[in-house]
Amino acid sequence: DGGITQSPKYLFRKEGQNVTLSCEQNLNHDAMYWYRQDPGQGLRLIYYSQIVNDFQKGDIAEGYSVSREKKESFPLTVTSAQKNPTAFYLCASARVKTSTDTQYFGPGTRLTVL
Amino acid sequence: GNSVTQMEGPVTLSEEAFLTINCTYTATGYPSLFWYVQYPGEGLQLLLKATKADDKGSNKGFEATYRKETTSFHLEKGSVQVSDSAVYFCALSDPNRDDKIIFGKGTRLHILP
Repeated sequence: DGGITQSPKYLFRKEGQNVTLSCEQNLNHDAMYWYRQDPGQGLRLIYYSQIVNDFQKGDIAEGYSVSREKKESFPLTVTSAQKNPTAFYLCASARVKTSTDTQYFGPGTRLTVL
Repeated sequence: GNSVTQMEGPVTLSEEAFLTINCTYTATGYPSLFWYVQYPGEGLQLLLKATKADDKGSNKGFEATYRKETTSFHLEKGSVQVSDSAVYFCALSDPNRDDKIIFGKGTRLHILP
């Protein structure tokens, strides 16, 4: 079955540690995205990538980093510079980056920093 | 800048009631409009979309019409079920703004049996 997988589902880290969230898709999509969701809030865009080896900052990129070395993978690293990292993180992909193209979402990773 | 405003929740209805979740937007250009649904503990799923004025998106008994004159995209369903309980997000994607999707804050819907 085609889809997007994120792992792990729940992640706990101590303050000051970097942590990497995995996102893999087998939909052959060019575009991939990372969003952050906080309680009672909409989704906010962290980073996005239109093509392998290229990515752009979204609205809240500070304290995060990404890589896009393979078409199917777009890992997100939450660094110690992120002031409030506890949140629900969602990865998405789209066939191409256009305004009409549907984004498909993974199941999310809930990160808790202790 | 572009924005999406949804009615605040939670919205609580009895099974078989009529549902309306209001959504209005502010955008330059001609955005595409979307409704996404999020079930507990899961990611978002596209529910329906409309890409131009007067288009009606529909899926699973839900529908929404792109109204440019009122800048609205209200979600409706004639008879809700308990399984419709979820959080619903209205969103827009503006080709004049690098195609970024702007999401509303979401509306939580509770359906009582």
